[in-house]
Amino acid sequence: NAGVTQTPKFRVLKTGQSMTLLCAQDMNHEYMYWYRQDPGMGLRLIHYSVGEGTTAKGEVPDGYNVSRLKKQNFLLGLESAAPSQTSVYFCASSYSGTSAKQYFGPGTRLTVT
Amino acid sequence: AQSVTQLGSHVSVSEGALVLLRCNYSSSVPPYLFWYVQYPNQGLQLLLKYTTGATLVKGINGFEAEFKKSETSFHLTKPSAHMSDAAEYFCAVTSGGGSYIPTFGRGTSLIVHP
Repeated sequence: NAGVTQTPKFRVLKTGQSMTLLCAQDMNHEYMYWYRQDPGMGLRLIHYSVGEGTTAKGEVPDGYNVSRLKKQNFLLGLESAAPSQTSVYFCASSYSGTSAKQYFGPGTRLTVT
Repeated sequence: AQSVTQLGSHVSVSEGALVLLRCNYSSSVPPYLFWYVQYPNQGLQLLLKYTTGATLVKGINGFEAEFKKSETSFHLTKPSAHMSDAAEYFCAVTSGGGSYIPTFGRGTSLIVHP
């Protein structure tokens, strides 16, 4: 099993450009999450999904959109990138909710100039 | 509401010394508690978790943590640090009652000196 994979690993955008980050998991997990990690801030939840076709906002959703058209994929979109969105983005998945461990992808390092 | 506080953004120990990373939580319902480790340029991986039952939880790589309800703490310990333990450690809490949104602490960077 590949676990949780993220595409791309690195990306540099100019302000105003758009992009989509892809997260894929092969563990048949229901729950998927997108986080951003910034120095000294820990992980902050952007959006999450509790099943195919469902999405919900997390702690810092502004400027991002998501879609979960297939159970194994969770896409994170930036419609108009801003320098404040420079961060490392992590996708995670879990079999169930509250007490289940999360499996994390390797991260995408995004720089917006 | 739930929250996590990790005391100390950096902890420095000598190889062979005791490792103690502190985590205090706030939760209005019985919590589920986790410790994750992040090695450089990698994603997070689970070290251990507490759900119910025994309050002393053993994890991978010789780490353990004790859930103390009266102190609202879940500190992570390891008797003897190895150089390979140098990493970022995150405490996380998820509250019961159907919430599946974990809250992470800001992380503690463990530095191990030879």
